[in-house]
Amino acid sequence: GAVVSQHPSWVICKSGTSVKIECRSLDFQATTMFWYRQFPKQSLMLMATSNEGSKATYEQGVEKDKFLINHASLTLSTLTVTSAHPEDSSFYICSARLPGETQYFGPGTRLLVL
Amino acid sequence: AQSVTQLDSQVPVFEEAPVELRCNYSSSVSVYLFWYVQYPNQGLQLLLKYLSGSTLVKGINGFEAEFNKSQTSFHLRKPSVHISDTAEYFCAVSRVPAGNNRKLIWGLGTSLAVNP
Repeated sequence: GAVVSQHPSWVICKSGTSVKIECRSLDFQATTMFWYRQFPKQSLMLMATSNEGSKATYEQGVEKDKFLINHASLTLSTLTVTSAHPEDSSFYICSARLPGETQYFGPGTRLLVL
Repeated sequence: AQSVTQLDSQVPVFEEAPVELRCNYSSSVSVYLFWYVQYPNQGLQLLLKYLSGSTLVKGINGFEAEFNKSQTSFHLRKPSVHISDTAEYFCAVSRVPAGNNRKLIWGLGTSLAVNP
């Protein structure tokens, strides 16, 4: 149980385009999902907390107009990187929290912006 | 505010040897504690967690950790490591109690390299 999927696992796009990443909780309902960014050989950086049916809460320094988060259902949250630039290239990971304290993580999405 | 310190950025060890990955935290309130493992190019997998009760917590893959409140530590141990344990290990805490948007505070990670 507690499986989280992400799609796509890999994406390459041209600079200036937008990319959407999906995060799904497959066998449970998640009222709260989290989006992280991870640079090579570094820890996770929390970007935003996504609550179903309400606006996401962004961490300081994260541009909400650039990283659009939608949590339309209890099993799906999406992150859209708008007008992507090479510096947005990174490993994006989502997690979903069961009622309680444990976060379960997706396998990650590697984004490369050319 | 909470903070997490993983004292070793890299730990090389030989196969079948014991290993300890150290984690210390700082918090003015009670916390929950977690260890996650990340294999290359993958997401994170929960190894074990401490929420309450016995301070010795057993997790998957033969790992265990002990919560020491007086030393504010939550060190991860395995008595005999395998090549397949080579991965990045992250310690994390979240505060107790908190609102709905409880965040995990992360350590910088420890890279465990198991050599034959």
